[in-house]
Amino acid sequence: AQSVTQLDSQVPVFEEAPVELRCNYSSSVSVYLFWYVQYPNQGLQLLLKYLSGSTLVKGINGFEAEFNKSQTSFHLRKPSVHISDTAEYFCAVSRNSGYSTLTFGKGTMLLVSP
Amino acid sequence: IAGITQAPTSQILAAGRRMTLRCTQDMRHNAMYWYRQDLGLGLRLIHYSNTAGTTGKGEVPDGYSVSRANTDDFPLTLASAVPSQTSVYFCASSDSSAGGPYEQFFGPGTRLTVL
Repeated sequence: AQSVTQLDSQVPVFEEAPVELRCNYSSSVSVYLFWYVQYPNQGLQLLLKYLSGSTLVKGINGFEAEFNKSQTSFHLRKPSVHISDTAEYFCAVSRNSGYSTLTFGKGTMLLVSP
Repeated sequence: IAGITQAPTSQILAAGRRMTLRCTQDMRHNAMYWYRQDLGLGLRLIHYSNTAGTTGKGEVPDGYSVSRANTDDFPLTLASAVPSQTSVYFCASSDSSAGGPYEQFFGPGTRLTVL
């Protein structure tokens, strides 16, 4: 089975500052990794995904994440945040073989203030 | 516009009543999922279906049932609702035909309150 730990439940940051949202996973097999964003009163939207290949993955809205197999991490970063980035961010993992469901972390609320 | 629709948007339900949450996708995805989202717990998988005619249990299946009669529809039924089933419910779908789940697409959610 897989599990995901998002180390911060809430991250406050000022506009135009850099941010890193942390995600660690646990799995006995190779995995796919995902970051989703949820804006208030909406469903989830995919930000980026790691399936294979380059460990640095670029996504929408200027976000990127780096897969680190030795540290079992997939931290999300953005060099300069905007007020509109205020949302909840979820890290998720699945096995990379066959049909496999997603396991989500508990989420990190990013609060961007002026 | 292609995507996932869920109905109703919100519902207040008396305990003990039966309720079916509807989910329809028009992307011809083979796999569909139901999650519940609770504050501080993230999203937890209730049931899933890899193809029409098959279903499986997720992390929190008790008190819920699903069916998958065709590719597009994946209703979730609460046979006898209890207050602990108060939650926001999300339906999702993905194209897993190539051997991996890849991206899951989410519906807008149903906010259910059981009193």
